[in-house]
Amino acid sequence: QVQLVQSGAEVKTPGSSVKVSCKASGGTFSTFSINWVRQAPGQGLEWMGDISPMFGKANYAQKFQGRVTITADESTTTSYMELSSLRVEDTAVYFCARERRVHEPVFGSWGQGTLITVSA
Amino acid sequence: EIVLTQSPGTLSLSPGKSATLSCRASQSVTSDYLAWYQQKPGQAPRLLIYGASSRANGIPDRFSGSGSGTDFTLTVSRLEPEDFAVYYCQQYDRPPWTFGQGTKVEIK
Repeated sequence: QVQLVQSGAEVKTPGSSVKVSCKASGGTFSTFSINWVRQAPGQGLEWMGDISPMFGKANYAQKFQGRVTITADESTTTSYMELSSLRVEDTAVYFCARERRVHEPVFGSWGQGTLITVSA
Repeated sequence: EIVLTQSPGTLSLSPGKSATLSCRASQSVTSDYLAWYQQKPGQAPRLLIYGASSRANGIPDRFSGSGSGTDFTLTVSRLEPEDFAVYYCQQYDRPPWTFGQGTKVEIK
């Protein structure tokens, strides 16, 4: 069973960038896509994008195009999500999640979440 | 994008009762690419159901999913204390993958 461990909470100022890591252990890293999902305080879940570590190809939700970059490092079995030009409304818990089966974006394993607070 | 609308927003029930949660899609979800998750405060979501009706590993059989096209249902029979949580549906038919806004099942 794969485990996903994320980096710790951060406080950022508007206009800055943040990079969150997600380290996978206990399973095959390269084959399964890693997805990033965020949840604003008291709100629902919002898919941001995903990456196939094997091919290094990322896909992004249109809402975040141009502001988000998702990468994966096979040597360290870690995925990263970088969000730039931060706004107060980007304050949220950011989760990484692995697809349950190859090419099936159902999220069977989740990281513990990383709280990103954007405040002046 | 496919918009998922969940109802009701909140369901107040007593332990031992059954909960019926609805998820309606703005467009037909082909091949029943619909999943359900449970989320408790301060925790990551947990996968319950995929393919509209298949239970994920380790999920008790009191959780069942049904439906097709645009209308899907999650039923939780005989509510246990640990079942009181927020439930989300998610479609994975067409990107961007989208979630419903959630249904909170609370203790009456």
